Amino acid sequence: DQQVKQNSPSLSVQEGRISILNCDYTNSMFDYFLWYKKYPAEGPTFLISISSIKDKNEDGRFTVFLNKSAKHLSLHIVPSQPGDSAVYFCAAKEWAGAQKLVFGQGTRLTINP
Amino acid sequence: NAGVTQTPKFRILKIGQSMTLQCAQDMNHNYMYWYRQDPGMGLKLIYYSVGAGITDKGEVPNGYNVSRSTTEDFPLRLELAAPSQTSVYFCAISSGLSSGANVLTFGAGSRLTVL
Repeated sequence: DQQVKQNSPSLSVQEGRISILNCDYTNSMFDYFLWYKKYPAEGPTFLISISSIKDKNEDGRFTVFLNKSAKHLSLHIVPSQPGDSAVYFCAAKEWAGAQKLVFGQGTRLTINP
Repeated sequence: NAGVTQTPKFRILKIGQSMTLQCAQDMNHNYMYWYRQDPGMGLKLIYYSVGAGITDKGEVPNGYNVSRSTTEDFPLRLELAAPSQTSVYFCAISSGLSSGANVLTFGAGSRLTVL
């Protein structure tokens, strides 16, 4: 049972344009959502998070939107740069217990010059 | 990946062999996690620990064991390696604060191949 889903395995975007990565979840008890970025042969690195009581969080070129009624979140990157080419993981945090993160399958983003 | 050190980076095992993946942290965080990443499958939680002497199973614990005798170290033991354990293994840490996003800091990973 996949609680966090990223349905697009890959995405290709022109440099300078907007990249939109999507994520869906099924568990209403998640209280935080996070995005991680991963380069080859490295561990994932934290990018941005959003609380379940918010609908938007912005950090520089990165903005995360949360639609609780649809159980959907998206990461917007604008403008996209070649260094943004990586695999992006969506993750959701359980509100209780060990606060484990549940990860989606990842989306490989390629920024074309 | 400062603060989380994983060894070895690469290892090839034969079916039935055993080995231990090491994870060490220098950030004095209580919470430590082991994830595995398979292609197209995201990160799956194997085991986690909320402090020295306390461990618990994650989503995919079969074939693995852990121990947490100190705050700094969280080794992952593979007994009787199987081809299905071919994966990239990531250790992660967090402060485990009850409020907030519980951001994990990951190590660089250990790539294991079982032949």
